Amino acid sequence: GDSVTQMEGPVTLSEEAFLTINCTYTATGYPSLFWYVQYPGEGLQLLLKATKADDKGSNKGFEATYRKETTSFHLEKGSVQVSDSAVYFCALSDPTGANSKLTFGKGITLSVRP
Amino acid sequence: DTGVSQNPRHKITKRGQNVTFRCDPISEHNRLYWYRQTLGQGPEFLTYFQNEAQLEKSRLLSDRFSAERPKGSFSTLEIQRTEQGDSAMYLCASSLQGARGQPQHFGDGTRLSIL
Repeated sequence: GDSVTQMEGPVTLSEEAFLTINCTYTATGYPSLFWYVQYPGEGLQLLLKATKADDKGSNKGFEATYRKETTSFHLEKGSVQVSDSAVYFCALSDPTGANSKLTFGKGITLSVRP
Repeated sequence: DTGVSQNPRHKITKRGQNVTFRCDPISEHNRLYWYRQTLGQGPEFLTYFQNEAQLEKSRLLSDRFSAERPKGSFSTLEIQRTEQGDSAMYLCASSLQGARGQPQHFGDGTRLSIL
């Protein structure tokens, strides 16, 4: 079945450091890919998405590129802030394109210290 | 856009009791999803509706679980004869049916604790 694998966490960085969070997926077709973020005490929020190979999603300084050849969707940010401290989830949608369920990775906790 | 609303935010109950959660989706969204999230894990799909029709159910949704969306607006998720293993955060999400990659918008969840 479909699956998403995220790098093990947690990750702790100093403010203004470069961030990479790895995400790889297994799917039989061509899913859409998403990054969701969960800030402390809040619900899941969509951070960015990409729907086809070589698409780049971006939002709030974060970027991720849909790499079909490596089945990856790594999240990057050039300079993290304390306010980026949160749990980050990579997810894919049903590759049949029927827009039904999302399959999530386990999530990774990012802590940014001043 | 008032967002997805879930009630209650927290529910504590004794093992064996029945519980019901409510989800109010974003008003123009015709798709509604239920997920379960346990500590340290990502959300796991339970079921989804398109309008009032329940189109898919996960193997995780045992026969103690039932979900409804009677008028295609709000939805309820009922768990009968609760067990310790049902303790989790139950998340609701909604989306528009349409183009590939429609994002799902999540509520803040209902945290269920079984004593």
